[in-house]
Formats: sequence, C-alpha cells, structure tokens
Amino acid sequence: GQNIDQPTEMTATEGAIVQINCTYQTSGFNGLFWYQQHAGEAPTFLSYNVLDGLEEKGRFSSFLSRSKGYSYLLLKELQMKDSASYLCVPLTGGFKTIFGAGTRLFVKA
Amino acid sequence: EAEVAQSPRYRITEKSQAVAFWCDPISGHATLYWYRQILGQGPELLVQFQDESVVDDSQLPKDRFSAERLKGVDSTLKIQPAELGDSAMYLCASSLGQGVIGDTQYFGPGTRLTVL
Repeated sequence: GQNIDQPTEMTATEGAIVQINCTYQTSGFNGLFWYQQHAGEAPTFLSYNVLDGLEEKGRFSSFLSRSKGYSYLLLKELQMKDSASYLCVPLTGGFKTIFGAGTRLFVKA
Repeated sequence: EAEVAQSPRYRITEKSQAVAFWCDPISGHATLYWYRQILGQGPELLVQFQDESVVDDSQLPKDRFSAERLKGVDSTLKIQPAELGDSAMYLCASSLGQGVIGDTQYFGPGTRLTVL
C-alpha cells in the first residue's frame, strides 16, 4: 500500500533552522515533491528529488534517501511567513502523486 | 509567469442545488487534475485528465459529480445536487504530462465551496 508519515505539527522560532522529516512507502518510486501550503491557499511547489542526496534552493533544502524511504525538508533562517503546512508528496512507480495531510509549521517570534 | 486560473474563488450554495467550477490550466499542459481538500487534510484526487480523456476518476462520486474537458484545454467540475459534506476547497492543478519524471503539478488558487 501507499503510506506517508510526517509529524502533524512543529513549532520553531524566527531565525532558527527546522527539519521536517518524511518517511514513505509506495508501489514503485519516481521521485518526491515538497509543497508549501499557507492556510486557505493552494499548494505551491518547493522542490523535487529523484536521486539520493541534498538539493539546496535558497533558504530551503530537500534531502532524499531512496533506500530508506526517507526525505526531509530543511528550512533555514526561519521567517514568520514560513508558517504554513509542508506536504511531502511521493511519486509512485505508476506516476501517481500521493498527498498526505502534511506538517503544520508554526513560527513564533 | 503562467498560472492556473480558477473561478469562482468562493461559492455559497444551499444543499440540493447545482454548482459548477471552472479551471483553465497553464498553456501547453496536457494533464489536468481536480482535487478536493477538506480543512486539515491533504488534497484528494477526484479526477485526472490527459488531454480530453479521463485517466483516473476512481475517487469521483459519480452519482453527483461530473467533470469534462471537451477540447483538452479548460475544464468544468459540476456537483448536482450539492450536499453539506461537499463543503471544501476544490483545487485544480495542471502539469506538462503524466509519466514524465519530475512532472510538477501547479495549482490554481482554488474555489472555496460552502454548502448551507
């Protein structure tokens, strides 16, 4: 079956670093997306990993380990506007995206 | 920057009425998706089109929901009759084409439906 496991909620302080972990089980695998979704808005694309390792894009980095079924999103220099839900979205062998509820991140001053 | 367009942004209706949502994908995107998102949950795929053909509607409640993409460009999602449990955000997304490694879905702003 298909399964995604992320923490439901996390809280961090402005200016800090936070790591959002995701483990997944899918029927085949063709990469993993991270999306950001602010309350009441649509998801926006952050990153895509298909090979093992770290992809850095500004303050955001995403890591993938295919053998462990594990990914994380790293947010540096947190800002209040980073308060949002972060969705870990694997792409299955049949090219279907699997959306879970994501992790709600609260950034406090 | 190209965007997915959706209308209306908000819709309030009474139960048993009919509602329709419209989506215009990014130009050149062959794949179009309709999702329903209930507060606190992740998006749930209702229907997926590849050009004008439905490739996945396994989660679409076909007794009341219908979707079409007649010319393979814009799309309409209809609910008739609406029920209280249909209150949710309806999201449309598009991508270049399913089956492509890294095929990224881009979402429109969504339609917030409230059924009274």
